[in-house]
Amino acid sequence: QKEVEQNSGPLSVPEGAIASLNCTYSDRGSQSFFWYRQYSGKSPELIMFIYSNGDKEDGRFTAQLNKASQYVSLLIRDSQPSDSATYLCAVYNYGQNFVFGPGTRLSVLP
Amino acid sequence: ETGVTQTPRHLVMGMTNKKSLKCEQHLGHNAMYWYKQSAKKPLELMFVYNFKEQTENNSVPSRFSPECPNSSHLFLHLHTLQPEDSALYLCASSQSRTGQNTEQYFGPGTRLTVT
Repeated sequence: QKEVEQNSGPLSVPEGAIASLNCTYSDRGSQSFFWYRQYSGKSPELIMFIYSNGDKEDGRFTAQLNKASQYVSLLIRDSQPSDSATYLCAVYNYGQNFVFGPGTRLSVLP
Repeated sequence: ETGVTQTPRHLVMGMTNKKSLKCEQHLGHNAMYWYKQSAKKPLELMFVYNFKEQTENNSVPSRFSPECPNSSHLFLHLHTLQPEDSALYLCASSQSRTGQNTEQYFGPGTRLTVT
């Protein structure tokens, strides 16, 4: 059973701080890693994907991947109240299906 | 229309009704998916279609019946549902090339309530 694990939260950070969201996965052959943001009552929205070890930055978001540790993280710099949402980690291995984690609820406090 | 669209956005149906959910993707993708998302639970993969062929049926009850007439359209036919089937039903699409899939894009979902 391939699994993706995330801390369910809620993770509370003050406005302007860095929010750090973590995800671990069990399938060592996984190749692609995705972060989705889901507001309450809405559908998941893709915000980042990463394929190679290391960091990938896009605006205030940085995805970090460590395949040896089977760990992927998302950092949100200068957190805003509008970042308050559930963040889903998804993992993909070629020829198989996407596997989603349960999500981490982030609350950015004004 | 852009991205992935789903209709209806909200649906209330009795346990004896028959209804269908529709999904259409305008991204030129060739893989489409149905997911179920219940309150406080992770996304559950239901069905996968690659190049119009069903490649995954994740032990879904037969009261859910998918149909994929072409790479752009996906339906989920519903009949004799149970109250526990009330959930957000999400459609997604991605591009599949020789077994490799790109990222998935989701539609807005259909909020289904079974009474």
